[in-house]
Amino acid sequence: QVQLVQSETEVKKPGASVKISCRASGYAFSTFGFNWVRQAPGQGLEWMAWISLYNGNTNYAQKFQGRITLSTDTSTATAYMEMTRLNSDDTAVYYCARDQGGAFGEFSDHWGQGTLVTVSS
Amino acid sequence: DIQLTQSPSTLSASVGDTVTITCRASQSVSTWLAWYQQKLGKAPRLLIYKASNLQTGVPSRFSGSGSGTEFTLTIGSLQPDDFATYYCQQYNSYSLTFGQGTKVEIK
Repeated sequence: QVQLVQSETEVKKPGASVKISCRASGYAFSTFGFNWVRQAPGQGLEWMAWISLYNGNTNYAQKFQGRITLSTDTSTATAYMEMTRLNSDDTAVYYCARDQGGAFGEFSDHWGQGTLVTVSS
Repeated sequence: DIQLTQSPSTLSASVGDTVTITCRASQSVSTWLAWYQQKLGKAPRLLIYKASNLQTGVPSRFSGSGSGTEFTLTIGSLQPDDFATYYCQQYNSYSLTFGQGTKVEIK
């Protein structure tokens, strides 16, 4: 069965960077892209970015342009999201999710368990 | 970005009720709309895609309809497992967006 397993909880200081991993199994990794979505405490879902496994194309939400980088490693079937210049507003649970789209992000049919990132001095 | 507005924000209902959640888009998204269910502390679960297509494994009491700017998610005969928060999400544009969520509570 499809599984997305994310890396563990992170605690970071303001200004630091974080890199979250998402290891996929149960399907052909290169067949589907990934969305990254975050959820601040008590808040709704916020789409951050998408990456294609077909050609490496990416789309980023405007508010995250220049601050996050998506990547993948097909040898380990792992997707990564790195965020720099963290501040307290970035405290949230971060999800990776398998995307059903082709040319750009669409909807997500399988989700990781989430990674809590806490930014605090 | 395309804005999605869900109503109501909170809905109180009883087991067995039929409930309807509305999602309105700031511009047409055709039928490029999905619905998710999220329980507290858990990842979202895909229920509906392309406005009305039921995801494999989702009970048939869930249904979606609509096109353009107005969409609905209907849960027929609410079950105890259905008390959760529901989100719509559009994928008509490169920048995906979610609605703010609708919490379905036990009356």
